[in-house]
Amino acid sequence: QSALTQPRSVSGSPGQSVTISCTGTSSDVGGYSYVSWYRQHPGKAPEVMIYDVSKRPSGVPDRFSGSKSGNTASLTISGLQAEDEADYYCCSYVGNYIYVFGTGTEVTVL
Amino acid sequence: QVQLKESGPGLVKPSETLSLTCAVSGSSISSDNYWVWVRQPPGKGLEWIGIIYHSGTTYYTPSLESRVAMSVDTSKNQFSLNLRSVTAADTAVYYCATRGYWLYYFDSWGQGTLVTVSS
Repeated sequence: QSALTQPRSVSGSPGQSVTISCTGTSSDVGGYSYVSWYRQHPGKAPEVMIYDVSKRPSGVPDRFSGSKSGNTASLTISGLQAEDEADYYCCSYVGNYIYVFGTGTEVTVL
Repeated sequence: QVQLKESGPGLVKPSETLSLTCAVSGSSISSDNYWVWVRQPPGKGLEWIGIIYHSGTTYYTPSLESRVAMSVDTSKNQFSLNLRSVTAADTAVYYCATRGYWLYYFDSWGQGTLVTVSS
């Protein structure tokens, strides 16, 4: 399985919205409704922000939303805040209990 | 909430075997969860390694399948990762994580442990 493709970096000012794309194939992103998104602050473990394409775990602000169209999933962060500055990774189920992560995107709050 | 903590040698010689353990607390390893290993080379992205159920059933990412083995120790409530014939490319922070039986994402993570492969 090849890593899913994400932009290397995105940026926005506080209060703005940013969207991160995650492009795969019909064998991963396009084939299953099991895309999750993880936020990772420097030196910390990842934490799930979105699962099953668009669902938010309890405790995750509704500023975070997910969607999918064809082989591309997207994470949108609305009302950008300083604490959102981190690396973000998408992850897709590829069948047979196996998963693949995206290449990662650095979000910068200007 | 499940808590996970990785442990093991921080330095492994090339061609040797990397061995890590993940201690589970707040839940029985025999519960309806799958147990996962993920790694992250310094300055790079996350790589999914494999998954194990308490029955011992395992699934590995194809690129590492020939060198990796995971196991569960129910008496110690922990699971383990062995990676054979390591090279410098295996230098990474190794995380253990968990996935609920009916879920398809990783909801609890350990803090991670850095393993360096060097002579």
